[in-house]
Amino acid sequence: AQSVTQLDSQVPVFEEAPVELRCNYSSSVSVYLFWYVQYPNQGLQLLLKYLSGSTLVKGINGFEAEFNKSQTSFHLRKPSVHISDTAEYFCAVTLLIKAAGNKLTFGGGTRVLVKP
Amino acid sequence: GAGVSQSPSNKVTEKGKDVELRCDPISGHTALYWYRQSLGQGLEFLIYFQGNSAPDKSGLPSDRFSAERTGGSVSTLTIQRTQQEDSAVYLCASSPTRPGPETQYFGPGTRLLVL
Repeated sequence: AQSVTQLDSQVPVFEEAPVELRCNYSSSVSVYLFWYVQYPNQGLQLLLKYLSGSTLVKGINGFEAEFNKSQTSFHLRKPSVHISDTAEYFCAVTLLIKAAGNKLTFGGGTRVLVKP
Repeated sequence: GAGVSQSPSNKVTEKGKDVELRCDPISGHTALYWYRQSLGQGLEFLIYFQGNSAPDKSGLPSDRFSAERTGGSVSTLTIQRTQQEDSAVYLCASSPTRPGPETQYFGPGTRLLVL
């Protein structure tokens, strides 16, 4: 079975400062990796995903993430945050098992609070 | 185009009552997923539909939980004899089915409170 650990439950950051959200996963087989964002009282929105190829993945809203297979990590970064980035961020993995679809296993989430 | 919609947005019920939660996926999406988001358990998978069949029900927490999908579209999640621990946000997601893992598009969720 796979699991996902987000090392920080909350990250306060000042506006225009950089932010890094850490994600580590555990799996006995290859996984695909995702970052989702959840704004207050809304569903989840995909920020970016890693399937294969270049380990540096760029997503929406200026976010990027780097897949590191040896460290089983997929950390999310943004060089300069805005107030509007205040939200909860979820790292997730899925296995490609045809019969089981692509059900996502989520980390516990990281709440980002951007301060002016 | 329209995204995934869920109804009701909020539901308050008394312990022991049955509830039905509805999900309208994006038109043409053959895969549909239900997840639950609660304070104690985080985000957890409940059930996966491919068309009208459910090849993976492994996340349903008890036999009080069931789900169906009709016409390859709308899905209903039913919780019988609700308990207070069922209080959570129930999220539905849909995706097209193509080779490789497709992005899941999430609805806004149904917030269930069991008193």
